[in-house]
Amino acid sequence: ILNVEQSPQSLHVQEGDSTNFTCSFPSSNFYALHWYRWETAKSPEALFVMTLNGDEKKKGRISATLNTKEGYSYLYIKGSQPEDSATYLCAFSDNAGNMLTFGGGTRLMVKP
Amino acid sequence: DTGVSQDPRHKITKRGQNVTFRCDPISEHNRLYWYRQTLGQGPEFLTYFQNEAQLEKSRLLSDRFSAERPKGSFSTLEIQRTEQGDSAMYLCASSLAGPDNKNIQYFGAGTRLSVL
Repeated sequence: ILNVEQSPQSLHVQEGDSTNFTCSFPSSNFYALHWYRWETAKSPEALFVMTLNGDEKKKGRISATLNTKEGYSYLYIKGSQPEDSATYLCAFSDNAGNMLTFGGGTRLMVKP
Repeated sequence: DTGVSQDPRHKITKRGQNVTFRCDPISEHNRLYWYRQTLGQGPEFLTYFQNEAQLEKSRLLSDRFSAERPKGSFSTLEIQRTEQGDSAMYLCASSLAGPDNKNIQYFGAGTRLSVL
């Protein structure tokens, strides 16, 4: 059974604050690590997929890093805005590369 | 809209009834996945198809659950004799299998099932 953990479970920040979340995953049989953003009543939206140890990806104010040797990834949001409020999910895929194993998500609420 | 679409968006049913959900993937995608998400948890894998072949099923998929993708395009997920524990969000995703696509899966908005 693959164990993917995310912390914190929920986070309340003020507009303008920077924040980060953690995803831990098995370090063996690693294929890819995905981050998704899921807003209420919408589809989960793919943010990043990372495959190589040391990968860093950036999209606007959001960035992510990957450490496959120790089995963790960080997602950073710089200068949070109310529209960043969503649940952020990380998902791991192993060598088979088919199904995704998700963490429980981090629910971010940004107050104006 | 060329994304993944799911129908219905919401379904309320009584315990013991059968329900069927539909998923239309992105048209050129050959893989289609079903996941289930319950409150406070991340999505959990149920099953996936490559074209019309069902290649993997989770042990979460009890005998009351059946999924089909008869022509390798849309898929249906049927739950027979629903139980209250089946109440969840059912998500569909699709992807294009290939050596460099890193298994990026594109999700629909889900079908929320409530079993009374």
